[in-house]
Amino acid sequence: DAGVTQSPTHLIKTRGQQVTLRCSPKSGHDTVSWYQQALGQGPQFIFQYYEEEERQRGNFPDRFSGHQFPNYSSELNVNALLLGDSALYLCASSRGSYNSPLHFGNGTRLTVT
Amino acid sequence: GIQVEQSPPDLILQEGANSTLRCNFSDSVNNLQWFHQNPWGQLINLFYIPSGTKQNGRLSATTVATERYSLLYISSSQTTDSGVYFCAVRMGSQGGSEKLVFGKGTKLTVNP
Repeated sequence: DAGVTQSPTHLIKTRGQQVTLRCSPKSGHDTVSWYQQALGQGPQFIFQYYEEEERQRGNFPDRFSGHQFPNYSSELNVNALLLGDSALYLCASSRGSYNSPLHFGNGTRLTVT
Repeated sequence: GIQVEQSPPDLILQEGANSTLRCNFSDSVNNLQWFHQNPWGQLINLFYIPSGTKQNGRLSATTVATERYSLLYISSSQTTDSGVYFCAVRMGSQGGSEKLVFGKGTKLTVNP
């Protein structure tokens, strides 16, 4: 039973570029959430997708956008990268209800130079 | 929004020692999870424990929802227990938030 998988594991981009990160949820899960974790901090909620729609969004600018596909996998896109976007990006999946636990992938470490 | 406070921020132990990590939260919750983040960044589920007590090997956790705190106990610590321990909560009110709110974590170092 595969857990949450993310790709790529590491990525280096230049300021102003665009990046796409990918996530496949744990088998049986239909909800995907994205978190950003800066160095030395706890993860911060970016947004959550359910039934291919954004269900809730955290305090992140419109440069951060996402998508969920019919097979429940998801993408996180960040446009016009800033140095401050350098972080570990974590994807989490869960079943649809409010009370189900989240399972996290190993993350994508993004470095913006 | 809901506030999550973890203590202590840093903890250094000798192998074999026991420890207790605390998580206080400011509002009622319907989801509380403890995670261990290893030095490679992997965020590993330890417990899903919105209330009550659970045990898994050398680890156990207790959440007292009415008093808005949770405790994580680590017994007979090992060097592989090193890392950052996060508590994360989700609000419990009807129509409540989808997001998990994380504390700042407790950095645990276990020395041989």
